[in-house]
Amino acid sequence: QKEVEQNSGPLSVPEGAIASLNCTYSDRGSQSFFWYRQYSGKSPELIMSIYSNGDKEDGRFTAQLNKASQYVSLLIRDSQPSDSATYLCAVRNLNTGNQFYFGTGTSLTVIP
Amino acid sequence: DAGITQSPRYKITETGRQVTLMCHQTWSHSYMFWYRQDLGHGLRLIYYSAAADITDKGEVPDGYVVSRSKTENFPLTLESATRSQTSVYFCASSPSGRGNEQFFGPGTRLTVL
Repeated sequence: QKEVEQNSGPLSVPEGAIASLNCTYSDRGSQSFFWYRQYSGKSPELIMSIYSNGDKEDGRFTAQLNKASQYVSLLIRDSQPSDSATYLCAVRNLNTGNQFYFGTGTSLTVIP
Repeated sequence: DAGITQSPRYKITETGRQVTLMCHQTWSHSYMFWYRQDLGHGLRLIYYSAAADITDKGEVPDGYVVSRSKTENFPLTLESATRSQTSVYFCASSPSGRGNEQFFGPGTRLTVL
């Protein structure tokens, strides 16, 4: 079983719509959760981090964490063509090695 | 500029040659990481380091060697390059403790012929 699982997509949404990206993880002791955006040919760029259950909003982005269900999601409101990228979910457990575990990413296309 | 840099950005080498990829960060982050990224596999951890002189294997360490004599540098060496090591390599760093976000360098695209 993979540590972090994401739907690979591709996910297509029209411009202005809400894009919803999902991630599940297997290590119940994970404490830190991250969303990265990666444009083609570029390195991953951190867009959100979340550490507590609930929602965290930053501009058009909202991260949601449910530790009981071992589930993390990212909502992108008012999606723009510039949001078209691959989104990587990552989790970290400070008590076991401090490694970051990444999902394989979800490809998002925002259609103008 | 502060941040994390990698060199070279592009490298073409031949099978059997030794190659060293450099990574340098100016944040004084405790942790540094090397990943490779291949289509269909996502990011795979090669090695990581919690501090100078402390390194640990990741998911795919075979064929790679790392060292960390200074906090800011974390070179990755391919002792005898193979075609299967053709990939994009990312270095990353992270502070220790909570709020421990990880930041990536620009990557090195390595081709082994």
